[in-house]
Amino acid sequence: QVQLQESGPGLVKPSETLSLTCGVSGYSISSGFYWGWIRQPPGKGLEWIGTIYHSGSTYYIPSLKSRVIISVDTSKNQFSLNLYSVTAADTAVYYCVRHHTSSWPFDYWGQGTLVTVSS
Amino acid sequence: DIQMTQSPSTLSASVGDRVTITCRASQSISSWLAWYQQKPGKAPKLLIYKASSLQSGVSSRFSGSGSGTEFTLTISSLQPDDFATYYCQQYNSYPPYTFGQGTKLEIK
Repeated sequence: QVQLQESGPGLVKPSETLSLTCGVSGYSISSGFYWGWIRQPPGKGLEWIGTIYHSGSTYYIPSLKSRVIISVDTSKNQFSLNLYSVTAADTAVYYCVRHHTSSWPFDYWGQGTLVTVSS
Repeated sequence: DIQMTQSPSTLSASVGDRVTITCRASQSISSWLAWYQQKPGKAPKLLIYKASSLQSGVSSRFSGSGSGTEFTLTISSLQPDDFATYYCQQYNSYPPYTFGQGTKLEIK
């Protein structure tokens, strides 16, 4: 059974970098599939942030593209999100997800982790 | 970007009711549409993919239909466990993948 688990700080100061890692168990990232991040501000809807293929190719939501990098570490079977220069508007629950191909919905989700941006 | 609009935003219904939620895309997405269920404090769960295909392990009380720009999610005979928020998502044209704003299904 594939499982995804987010980890990282729950509090980040404005203008700093939000860094999260998603550990994957039950499947080897190097075998394929696409891995991504989605966020949900408190009480609001879902926003896809970006996706990485196991080879390292990435694509991002245009509105965040200048501030985000997603990377993969196949040796640790995990992938990461770095969001730079955060503001209060980046406060959200962040989910890591999997999808079979780029043209497929998100079939596995982590439990989510709340990141608050505040001084 | 393709905009996804769900209606209604809130729906009140009773156990045993049949309910329908609508999702409209700002341009044609063929059948590349998914539906998710989210309960408070939990991650969304994939229910339907490719507009009408039931994800493995999901109750057959859930069904989806539509193509192009208009889609529906129907839940036949509501059960207590079905009261949640439902989201549609298009994966025809990306980036970005986009979601509807959600429909909260409440107990009447």
